[in-house]
This record gives sequence, C-alpha cells and structure tokens, in this order.
Amino acid sequence: KAGVTQTPRYLIKTRGQQVTLSCSPISGHRSVSWYQQTPGQGLQFLFEYFSETQRNKGNFPGRFSGRQFSNSRSEMNVSTLELGDSALYLCASRLEGGETQYFGPGTRLLVL
Amino acid sequence: GQQLNQSPQSMFIQEGEDVSMNCTSSSIFNTWLWYKQDPGEGPVLLIALYKAGELTSNGRLTAQFGITRKDSFLNISASIPSDVGIYFCAGSNFGNEKLTFGTGTRLTIIP
Repeated sequence: KAGVTQTPRYLIKTRGQQVTLSCSPISGHRSVSWYQQTPGQGLQFLFEYFSETQRNKGNFPGRFSGRQFSNSRSEMNVSTLELGDSALYLCASRLEGGETQYFGPGTRLLVL
Repeated sequence: GQQLNQSPQSMFIQEGEDVSMNCTSSSIFNTWLWYKQDPGEGPVLLIALYKAGELTSNGRLTAQFGITRKDSFLNISASIPSDVGIYFCAGSNFGNEKLTFGTGTRLTIIP
C-alpha cells in the first residue's frame, strides 16, 4: 500500500505571495492532518480534515487554510506569505477510529 | 504552541551502546507515540502505546506508557548506524486528532 504523498517536495516563494500544497493520504484513510515544523517551534498542529470538513484547528492565523476533496486528498493554502512561514509542512493520514497518524515526506517551503 | 518536554536534547554515543530517552507532559494523554525523523523526511512511526503502564517492543526498541499518563520513555538497545536521527514523542487523546509533539532528541553515533 502506498504511503502518504506530498507535492511539491520543495518550493521557493517571495513575501506576499500565496502557496498551495497538496497531500494524498494512504488509501482508505479519510482523516488528514497538517503540521508545520520549524527549528524554533518544532512540530505544530495546523488543522485536521475528515470527510471534507475541518474537525480541529491549531493556533495559526487565518492566512493558513485548507480543504479536503471527496477522494480524501487535501490541500493547504498559505496566503500573504511571511518570512516566518518558511518551514517543513507535513501531512499525516489516519484511519478513522485509529490513533496512529502516518506522515508524508513533507513539503519544504522557503520564503524569501 | 505546546510542546512536550523531551530529554536529553541530544546524545552522542558509540555503536553498540544502549540509549534511553524520555518525554514528560503537564497534562495526561491516552495515547503515546514515538517517531523517528531522518533529515528532509517526515516522521516515521516506531511504537504506539495505548494503555497506561503498557510496555511495548519493536525489535531493539522498547517503549513504556507511564502509569500517570503524563510520561513515556523509549529505549534502544545495541545501537547501530542507521539509528542516527531525531526521535520525537507525541501524545494524543481519543476524539482529538491533534498530536502534541516533544522537542525531539537528536541521536548521533560516534565512530
């Protein structure tokens, strides 16, 4: 069974631009969560989607948004990029009812 | 955002040595997970713990879910070069899909 896939793997943007990252969960997994990883703050929860609905949200500004499609694929969007948004963005999928989240390789975003 | 206290922050050991790291929280969790992350990759699940007091092994790895539900530890026996990486603990609660991660332990093996 294929693991969680994320595209693109690397991205360079400039301040003020917006970016969209994509995540395909493990087949059969309907829950998708997003995390931001930075050297200073570590791994921080962004939000979680299940059946196209956001179920849980972390403490990030409204510039960070997401959505989930009927095939469980998910996208996250960051608008008006700031230098501090440079990070590794990780997506994780989970089987409904299961406690274990499986992570993708991440998208490394650099904001210049 | 909240992070769990993980120690030590880094470890420098020789191949063949045993390793021990732990994670503590100010709040309880119903599930404790241990992940390993290699550079440029996402965390890979090593061990999952679902019951207070539970001791679980996965090859050379052993982890325990603290009886208070506020801590967990991970042991690695007879370390090998591929054990190098950053180890993270994470806690979660039933019905809340958010994982709260530890600050990480960087393991380096000295030749």
